[in-house]
Amino acid sequence: QSALTQPASVSGSLGQSITISCTGTSSDVGCYNSVSWYQHHPGKAPKLIISDVNTRPSGVSYRFSGSKSDNTASLTISGLQAEDEGDYYCSSYRNTTSRVFGGGTKLTVL
Amino acid sequence: QVQLQQWGAGLLKPSETLSLTCAVNGESFSEHYWSWIRQPPGRGLEWIGEINHSGSTNYNPSLKSRVTISVDTSRNHFSLKLSSLTAADTAVYYCARLYCSSTSCYFDYWGQGNLVTVSS
Repeated sequence: QSALTQPASVSGSLGQSITISCTGTSSDVGCYNSVSWYQHHPGKAPKLIISDVNTRPSGVSYRFSGSKSDNTASLTISGLQAEDEGDYYCSSYRNTTSRVFGGGTKLTVL
Repeated sequence: QVQLQQWGAGLLKPSETLSLTCAVNGESFSEHYWSWIRQPPGRGLEWIGEINHSGSTNYNPSLKSRVTISVDTSRNHFSLKLSSLTAADTAVYYCARLYCSSTSCYFDYWGQGNLVTVSS
């Protein structure tokens, strides 16, 4: 099954804000509020940073926020810090019994 | 605190069957779906499938013909079998908990990951 579409890479300077998009279809992102985002550092397990489109789990920095419009979800990271560098993935329901991830976005902090 | 500990063979030959198991500690096993996810080298995450305590499964349509996920509720374990392996199945495999509310689902706890290499 096809992945959700994310930019391959984004970059930003320390202290700046960046936004990562996640585009799907009316069968996944556009149909449900079940969009989540994950931060992945090499050699570690992915970490949930946003659930339910825009909910931060306990312990996740307020600098991470999520939104959705139609078939596109977005993750915004404000006040970029060096430790934010890594890979970011979105995920959604697809047809209620299937899950799908985005292709991933590599964030570089300059 | 939920902990997932996974294990299984790391080097397999083409046409063989991958077998991984994930043990769940610190949580009511029967309340959630339990998932397998993989990441091939240099590529993104791919959902493989999931199972609940009663054995109800959902699979990625692109892998469904080769995947079997099973559960052992007496040990709070769930397992993945992937048959007819090729080099394209080389990946880090993760187990994860799928937490579902009334409106959404997300993967909130993950295992440490296992690198599985398929090579002759």
